Amino acid sequence: SYVLTQPPSVSVAPGQTARISCGGNNIGIKTVHWYQHKPGQAPVLVVHDDSDRPSGIPERFSGSNSGNTATLTISRVEAGDEADYYCQVWDSSSNHRVFGGGTKLTVL
Amino acid sequence: QVQLVESGGGVVQPGGSLRLSCAASGFTFSGYGIHWVRQAPGKGLEWVAFIQYDGTKEHYSDSVKGRFTISRDNSKNTVYLQMNSLRTDDTAVFYCAREPYNWTPLGFDYWGQGTLVTVSS
Repeated sequence: SYVLTQPPSVSVAPGQTARISCGGNNIGIKTVHWYQHKPGQAPVLVVHDDSDRPSGIPERFSGSNSGNTATLTISRVEAGDEADYYCQVWDSSSNHRVFGGGTKLTVL
Repeated sequence: QVQLVESGGGVVQPGGSLRLSCAASGFTFSGYGIHWVRQAPGKGLEWVAFIQYDGTKEHYSDSVKGRFTISRDNSKNTVYLQMNSLRTDDTAVFYCAREPYNWTPLGFDYWGQGTLVTVSS
């Protein structure tokens, strides 16, 4: 089965840029989606189709995908961005959906 | 507005059964695939099951295949997850989520608030 690998944690100071990686074999040929998940709340889709933002998501959130790594970039990080972030793909060979292990973003 | 509301969680003994429901409103329910995703305590999100918009296709993760069954009633705008032979490692918050599709899946754009399932003796 397809495996997605994320760093367990990323720390950044307010106003700086956070980059969260998602590694997978040839992930560049897949479509990657990113979710923000805060404790006690439902997950929120922040980037879909590698780099598109749903309506209502700030332009500070962006995504890229190439080779074996997809990246979620959060510019001008705010305290309210502190959350767990998950990447997700569709494994077409099994029709399963696959999540990365998640990355805890800490705003210092 | 789009809403997904889960219900049916609770405490059940190992080996027992539980049926979760996901009631949808605010969109054309019969046009969307619906998934169940869970999060065990202290763990990440785990995809569980999918049912196609018309109920003709289902897919399951390896960890629940043969024990869980997903179904839907488009006349009631509701998706169900029948969970049998429950194990302690099934303890989790279960979310239902909507997935738009346009040639390829477009990600889970709306989620419910989740319902807690605790498997314990």
